Amino acid sequence: DIVLTQSPVLAVSLGQRATISCRASQSVSISSINLMHWYQQKPGQQPKLLMYRASNLASGIPARFSGSGSGTDFTLTIDPVQADDIAAYYCQQSRESPRTFGGGTKLELK
Amino acid sequence: EVQLVESGGGLVQPGRSLKLSCAASGFTFSDYYMAWVRQAPTKGLEWVASISYDGGSTYYRDSVKGRFSISRDNAKSSLYLQMDSLRSEDTATYYCTTDRDDGTPFAYWGQGTLVTVSS
Repeated sequence: DIVLTQSPVLAVSLGQRATISCRASQSVSISSINLMHWYQQKPGQQPKLLMYRASNLASGIPARFSGSGSGTDFTLTIDPVQADDIAAYYCQQSRESPRTFGGGTKLELK
Repeated sequence: EVQLVESGGGLVQPGRSLKLSCAASGFTFSDYYMAWVRQAPTKGLEWVASISYDGGSTYYRDSVKGRFSISRDNAKSSLYLQMDSLRSEDTATYYCTTDRDDGTPFAYWGQGTLVTVSS
């Protein structure tokens, strides 16, 4: 299985930039297609798709969210961080079955 | 608006069975693969099973193969998960999600239903 590794916690100040990373145990890219996706989950709620194929914003997601990366290293950036962004963030690969998720990064306020 | 509403969760003893349901609306159900993804309390997300458009193909994670069975009824826009021989490690919130077979993500999620396996 492809293992996705995320830092458990990231502390940021409102208005600053947050950079959340995800490292895969093997490449999740095919040619130029990066099969890595990002989700946001607030406490007591279901996950919500934020970004698909590494850098494409899902419908209704504000432009302060962006994504980058290829191969094994991916990043989700929030700039500037707003109070509503305090949540857990998960990466997920669809390069191979079983599709796997990272352990999640909890975004906290400094 | 896409809506996925799960039901059927609850407290069940180890070794017993439970069947989850998911009612879908707001999209053409038969145009999508569908999946179940679970989340143990305070833990991360874990894909459980997927099913093709017409139910002809099913896929499971190793830990549930032979115990869980995913099915669908396109006429009722409904997805199911039959869970047999339940174990304590199956305790989780189970989410119904839309799926595809082309590498795209789980685009839409239900609110989840909690399954607790305990004596």
